[in-house]
Amino acid sequence: EVQLVESGGGLVKPGGSLRLSCAASGFTFSSYSMNWVRQAPGKGLEWVSSISSSSSYIYYADSVKGRFTISRDNAKNSLYLQMNSLRAEDTAVYYCARANTAMVIGQFDYWGQGTLVTVSS
Amino acid sequence: SYVLTQPPSVSVAPGQTARITCGGNNIGSKSVHWYQQKPGQAPVLVVYDDSDRPSGIPERFSGSNSGNTATLTISRVEAGDEADYYCQVWDSSSDHQVFGGGTKLTVL
Repeated sequence: EVQLVESGGGLVKPGGSLRLSCAASGFTFSSYSMNWVRQAPGKGLEWVSSISSSSSYIYYADSVKGRFTISRDNAKNSLYLQMNSLRAEDTAVYYCARANTAMVIGQFDYWGQGTLVTVSS
Repeated sequence: SYVLTQPPSVSVAPGQTARITCGGNNIGSKSVHWYQQKPGQAPVLVVYDDSDRPSGIPERFSGSNSGNTATLTISRVEAGDEADYYCQVWDSSSDHQVFGGGTKLTVL
């Protein structure tokens, strides 16, 4: 059974940093691209970042480029999101999602349960 | 950047057919994916590549895509179909994944 479990969310002050993790199991992690998607309270889904299976291709939404860094450790079956210079508008539930291919295009066929990040003073 | 436009809400009576649209410039040239999200839950993929269904998704869910509009069709709507629905595409010109704003389906 495919499982994606996010962790690392919490309350952080504006300008602060946070590192999210996503532990994957039930599939060959190194064969799939991975993604972060967020959802602000009461709002829609917003794509944040994608990373290909071998980390060769990495993309970011304009809203987080230069502040967030996506990475993965295929040996540990884990996906990460380093978030720096956090702003109030980054407050959201952050989902880890698997794409169905090694490349970053394609549908997100499995999602984690999400982790809440709250940026507030 | 590429924009996907969805109606904020759609209402339908049980047993009827719901159609949720997703508009975008020449969206017919892209592969469109659809997600269902119920309150407090993670999104679930219900249609991918315009009209394919993942295993476990009822045949009542179908999709089409042509010109500037993609459509998710839910036949014989049930109370359990009440949820938010999102369309998604990969925009190769910006190397961005793009989500529509979402449509709240209400079953009357």
